[in-house]
Order: sequence, then structure tokens, then C-alpha cells
Amino acid sequence: DAKTTQPPSMDCAEGRAANLPCNHSTISGNEYVYWYRQIHSQGPQYIIHGLKNNETNEMASLIITEDRKSSTLILPHATLRDTAVYYCIASTGTASKLTFGTGTRLQVTL
Amino acid sequence: DVKVTQSSRYLVKRTGEKVFLECVQDMDHENMFWYRQDPGLGLRLIYFSYDVKMKEKGDIPEGYSVSREKKERFSLILESASTNQTSMYLCASRPFERFLRLPGANVLTFGAGSRLTVL
Repeated sequence: DAKTTQPPSMDCAEGRAANLPCNHSTISGNEYVYWYRQIHSQGPQYIIHGLKNNETNEMASLIITEDRKSSTLILPHATLRDTAVYYCIASTGTASKLTFGTGTRLQVTL
Repeated sequence: DVKVTQSSRYLVKRTGEKVFLECVQDMDHENMFWYRQDPGLGLRLIYFSYDVKMKEKGDIPEGYSVSREKKERFSLILESASTNQTSMYLCASRPFERFLRLPGANVLTFGAGSRLTVL
């Protein structure tokens, strides 16, 4: 897995967009970018993944730069329930395991 | 919805005891995983299993063993618990890649976790 770098913590006001950055400058051509989040006292939950193109689902949007060296997870209208640790992972689609780092702790406030 | 159920949310054991952590998934997934999570260290993979009776060491297998006798059940065993095994243990499952509908969808479904304290 390529190494990823995320800020340790971020704050966001409720109702505003939360933009969580991730650097993966050594990502290889067959590695996807995955995002998971972990709400306190629960197991991690899959959010979204992408290879080259931007992706959107009901939970979030994923923007990947053209050179694929970084990406941003966007929660368009953050709520208090989005307070969690967010993990960015670069890995192949068939990798036997995913390596989770320490992630970004997002605090959504009123 | 896929469900991954871990048998105990909280356990307290004594040093030297044998500890079993059980994990059951209900979606016929081939792959199952055991991670431990510690503050500042993120999630670290202990063991994983591709299918019944198959197992592979992860990054930190020392002090642990696993059992996969049935497809839906993956057990983590601490033969002789020690205080440095006090941690949150997370089980996850994943379907074999060929069954995934989305390219590259290396999607793990996690259980709620088991917090083990070894005294």
C-alpha cells in the first residue's frame, strides 16, 4: 500500500462542507483511494473509493487530483453525526489487506 | 445489510488466561480479518483468512492464533493473555473479489469491536 498522510484533526461547523485532505504522492497506477470513517465506539465504516475520476455517492464526494498524488473527501453538509475519525487508504482493489493509519479526527460543532 | 457480530463488547481477563474472541458474519463472505486498535497506532492487522481453514499472518501475529472452521465464523485466540494485549479488537469481513460489483471495491465490513482488558 502506498503511504498516505492526513492532518491529525480538523473542525467544521454544522451545515458547512467538510473537506478532508489526503496526500498519497507514491500511489501506483493500480492503487485506488479508499475512505473509511470510525464513529466513537464503533468499527470503521466504508464511505467511498476511486481510481482516477471523481466519485460521488449518498455519503460523500471524492476528488482526486489529475496527478493522483492527493485527494479530498467532501462531506457537503456536515452534521454532528459526522464527527468521527476518517481514514484515507491507498491500495489495490484485490489487495489481501488494507492498512489503516491514524486518520483525521473531524469534529463537527454547532 | 451485511452484519458482522462480535460476541463480546467488553471483556476483563487475568494475565495467563486463555481468551477467545468470536466473530460471525451473515453474508457468506470468504475473507475475514482481525485487527487491533490502540491509541496513536491506528488499526493493525493480526490475522486474516481467505476461506475456511485458511489463515495468513498479518502485521502483528505474535501472541495470537486464529480458527476458521466454518465460513461464517472467525475466532481470535489469546493462548495466554498478557497486559500488553489490552486493546480494542475489530473483526471484519469481505466478499471474494470476483463477487464484487464495483471495480476495486476492496470494501471491509467491520463489527462493533471487543474491548479487552487484561489485568
